Amino acid sequence: DTAVSQTPKYLVTQMGNDKSIKCEQNLGHDTMYWYKQDSKKFLKIMFSYNNKELIINETVPNRFSPKSPDKAHLNLHINSLELGDSAVYFCASSLVGNSYEQYFGPGTRLTVT
Amino acid sequence: AQSVSQHNHHVILSEAASLELGCNYSYGGTVNLFWYVQYPGQHLQLLLKYFSGDPLVKGIKGFEAEFIKSKFSFNLRKPSVQWSDTAEYFCAVNGNTDKLIFGTGTRLQVFP
Repeated sequence: DTAVSQTPKYLVTQMGNDKSIKCEQNLGHDTMYWYKQDSKKFLKIMFSYNNKELIINETVPNRFSPKSPDKAHLNLHINSLELGDSAVYFCASSLVGNSYEQYFGPGTRLTVT
Repeated sequence: AQSVSQHNHHVILSEAASLELGCNYSYGGTVNLFWYVQYPGQHLQLLLKYFSGDPLVKGIKGFEAEFIKSKFSFNLRKPSVQWSDTAEYFCAVNGNTDKLIFGTGTRLQVFP
């Protein structure tokens, strides 16, 4: 029973391409997130959505656009990929309310060549 | 602004040694505190969390952490590490939003 799943697990692409990463959670959570983990393992939040509405939008280039078709899905689309976009992208989900514990997906390793 | 500091970037231990990883945070209000672990090639998993109550919290796999409000600290401990504890450990904090702020992580290597 996968709680938070991401596809693809690995993504290798060339500079300038447009790519998407998909995330799905089956935990019944209201809120979903995207995090970026760089080569030094530093994790930083990019976006969060609550019931399909954008809640957190950190300082992320406009080339990154999250889309939430429903509260169980949060996809990340990246336009005009750059070398610096190479990282591991983690999706997470949580309930809003008493607990802010976040459950993470397995990550998508994006390599831009 | 919230921030989290993990001063130990890389810790190397032998099996059965005791572990303490430091975590300090900067935030003026009520906080929720977390320790996550990332085993090689895997996703983050929650080790333990503190929301309120007893400042000494116990997590999975024999880990515990103590919240010391006066020191803005939430150090992670384990009395006797195993080779399987080799991983990256992240301290994280949030305040009155669900925005998790992570520390830079501590890489733990345990040798048999």
